[in-house]
Amino acid sequence: NAGVMQNPRHLVRRRGQEARLRCSPMKGHSHVYWYRQLPEEGLKFMVYLQKENIIDESGMPKERFSAEFPKEGPSILRIQQVVRGDSAAYFCASSADGEQYFGPGTRLTVT
Amino acid sequence: GENVEQHPSTLSVQEGDSAVIKCTYSDSASNYFPWYKQELGKRPQLIIDIRSNVGEKKDQRIAVTLNKTAKHFSLHITETQPEDSAVYFCAARPNQGGKLIFGQGTELSVKP
Repeated sequence: NAGVMQNPRHLVRRRGQEARLRCSPMKGHSHVYWYRQLPEEGLKFMVYLQKENIIDESGMPKERFSAEFPKEGPSILRIQQVVRGDSAAYFCASSADGEQYFGPGTRLTVT
Repeated sequence: GENVEQHPSTLSVQEGDSAVIKCTYSDSASNYFPWYKQELGKRPQLIIDIRSNVGEKKDQRIAVTLNKTAKHFSLHITETQPEDSAVYFCAARPNQGGKLIFGQGTELSVKP
């Protein structure tokens, strides 16, 4: 049973470009969560999705950030017009209905 | 609002000693409390968790205690080994199936 998959593992974008981060949950998991981790800081919740539905987006900035979890395919976190402050590790986690298991993360660097 | 405080931020122990990390949470509706271990550049790994209807849980050298009245929970690692060195995060879940609120992390260093 493959774990949570994320790609790309590393992403470099120039200021103003778009970043797309992908997350495939563990088999049998229908809940996906995205967290952001700034260097030497803890994990901050961004958004919680189930298939085709956003359940809780209270941690996601209102502008430039969006997330989706379509019926088919991975969950996608999209950041438009990236700025230097968006540089961070973005982790997704999945769960069936309890324990959350994390993917390896995408390290976004904005130059 | 929802908040989790974690102490200490750094902890250094000798191999074989015990390590204790403490967390407090603000939302009394929280019902699930996991602990994660994160090595440098790696993903957070779930090492133990406890639910609000249980006061203590143990798994080999790791134990977690929960005091719901005081809104405290703690991680205890006995007989520490150098491979226990990592950053440890506590978390609380305010709602069933929902987001985790994380503490700030504790960098544990076990010296051989």
